Amino acid sequence: SQQGEEDPQALSIQEGENATMNCSYKTSINNLQWYRQNSGRGLVHLILIRSNEREKHSGRLRVTLDTSKKSSSLLITASRAADTASYFCATCGSGTYKYIFGTGTRLKVLA
Amino acid sequence: SQTIHQWPATLVQPVGSPLSLECTVEGTSNPNLYWYRQAAGRGLQLLFYSVGIGQISSEVPQNLSASRPQDRQFILSSKKLLLSDSGFYLCAWSVMRRDTEAFFGQGTRLTVV
Repeated sequence: SQQGEEDPQALSIQEGENATMNCSYKTSINNLQWYRQNSGRGLVHLILIRSNEREKHSGRLRVTLDTSKKSSSLLITASRAADTASYFCATCGSGTYKYIFGTGTRLKVLA
Repeated sequence: SQTIHQWPATLVQPVGSPLSLECTVEGTSNPNLYWYRQAAGRGLQLLFYSVGIGQISSEVPQNLSASRPQDRQFILSSKKLLLSDSGFYLCAWSVMRRDTEAFFGQGTRLTVV
């Protein structure tokens, strides 16, 4: 079963603009993670935020987590054409090692 | 360093034929292992996960089964493939510790014809 929903499902922006993707989930979590998938390839881990953290940065990525609303957002600043990919959030629940993925956002960055 | 191998990359199989997809991890011991399936343009559906040899948890009842004959080997099988088994299959592993990420193989594109 899929834990969460992401929106938008697809996003198209110009190079240099910021891209924001949102993720909602349903149950309590230990952490929330964001992954990137280039077309037809495996997923690559981007960033992990623990349930007791509210914001985290990594390079051009900024992730926020609101456990009261069961939601997270991923911001990619100063986007590049190479950022074109699908982005997924994944949650890991309390007492489990299962990674449950959202439905993903397809990002297209136009040069 | 740890690596994950998944093969084959693509596979075309007739309906009713058997399936065996293999995944191996190198450079770590006692990993958690996962099989996911991804329909075209969709999210990942967790099929099976394993926390140890012979310990398999099935998430979705279906035409598939999984086995873990060795610590770092995870096999996805079917006795008779259905058209609905077509999809992109991904193997992944993680360390048995909280707050760690999963590492994915490159996937197998299965087309059942």
